[in-house]
Amino acid sequence: NAGVTQTPKFRVLKTGQSMTLLCAQDMNHEYMYWYRQDPGMGLRLIHYSVGEGTTAKGEVPDGYNVSRLKKQNFLLGLESAAPSQTSVYFCASSRDGGRYNEQFFGPGTRLTVL
Amino acid sequence: SQKIEQNSEALNIQEGKTATLTCNYTNYSPAYLQWYRQDPGRGPVFLLLIRENEKEKRKERLKVTFDTTLKQSLFHITASQPADSATYLCALYNAGNMLTFGGGTRLMVKP
Repeated sequence: NAGVTQTPKFRVLKTGQSMTLLCAQDMNHEYMYWYRQDPGMGLRLIHYSVGEGTTAKGEVPDGYNVSRLKKQNFLLGLESAAPSQTSVYFCASSRDGGRYNEQFFGPGTRLTVL
Repeated sequence: SQKIEQNSEALNIQEGKTATLTCNYTNYSPAYLQWYRQDPGRGPVFLLLIRENEKEKRKERLKVTFDTTLKQSLFHITASQPADSATYLCALYNAGNMLTFGGGTRLMVKP
């Protein structure tokens, strides 16, 4: 099993450009999450999904959109990138929303917006 | 507001010693607390979960304690090794039922 995979690993954008980050999991997990990690800020939840076809806002959703058309995939979109969106983005999944469940993380995407 | 605090300063210890990392929280009433390890350039990896009615949990050289009165969890690594060098994150579920992470503490174990 590959677990949670993310593409791309690195990306450089110019301000105003758009892009989509792809997350895939092969564990048949219901819940999927997108986080961003900035120095000194820890992991912050952007959006999450509790199942195929559903999405919800997390702590820092502004400037991002998501879609979960298939259970195994969770896409994060930036419509008009800004320098403040320079960060490392992590996707994660969990079996369900139970508080006893661990989250499984992908390797991350390092995004730089110039 | 809800806060999770971990020492942002790196913890440097000598190989073979016990490392102790602290996680303090305010305005949470967690039933569960999780610890993760994160290596540079990688995603966090789950290590341990402790329930509020468990005072202590062990896994190999790892030990976690959970004091809901002090609102604190301690994470211990005994007989530490250079391979234990990483950033360790604690995490709690917030009022919105989402996992919230502390900023992490970097551990450096010197040979």
